[in-house]
Amino acid sequence: EDQVTQSPEALRLQEGESSSLNCSYTVSGLRGLFWYRQDPGKGPEFLFTLYSAGEEKEKERLKATLTKKESFLHITAPKPEDSATYLCAVQDGSQYGNNRLAFGKGNQVVVIP
Amino acid sequence: NAGVTQTPKFRVLKTGQSMTLLCAQDMNHEYMYWYRQDPGMGLRLIHYSVGEGTTAKGEVPDGYNVSRLKKQNFLLGLESAAPSQTSVYFCASSILAGGPHEQFFGPGTRLTVL
Repeated sequence: EDQVTQSPEALRLQEGESSSLNCSYTVSGLRGLFWYRQDPGKGPEFLFTLYSAGEEKEKERLKATLTKKESFLHITAPKPEDSATYLCAVQDGSQYGNNRLAFGKGNQVVVIP
Repeated sequence: NAGVTQTPKFRVLKTGQSMTLLCAQDMNHEYMYWYRQDPGMGLRLIHYSVGEGTTAKGEVPDGYNVSRLKKQNFLLGLESAAPSQTSVYFCASSILAGGPHEQFFGPGTRLTVL
């Protein structure tokens, strides 16, 4: 059973067209939720960590939010350089001693000029 | 500060051949991880290490072995490669747990097994 489910799998946006990506999780005792960006042929690049429901973090056109069941990554007025796959990962209470993460399959975003 | 580096970047093997993938980090991180990434499957943990001289199994350890003889290096070995091991392999590292910490990833190794 997947602990982390991301939707939509793929998204095409016009430049400037804001949208949101969803990451729902089913772990018990969430210790942290992470967002990464991955460009084709490269390793994932860390974006944000969210620790508790109600928390929000921003970086340029990206804003991540967290509830008790899901996280959203809002992309405001996207530009073509925001095209990437966005990965969500969670750490539950059982992984305290090893910092293991469970990853979703990703949201592939393409921003068309 | 190079972060996490992986060698080689690309490799093609024949079924039954062996090889070792090398991961190195210069951030003095205690924890290191090996993942594989396949289309439609996401990142899956193969093995990990919580310190020099220690290793542990992840989600998909079969067919792989690892060693962490030095703190900065984590080696992933394939003793007898199979086509099912065709994948992109990523190494990651993180600081000692005390809270949930982000993992830093290398650029990946693309492995094809014929």
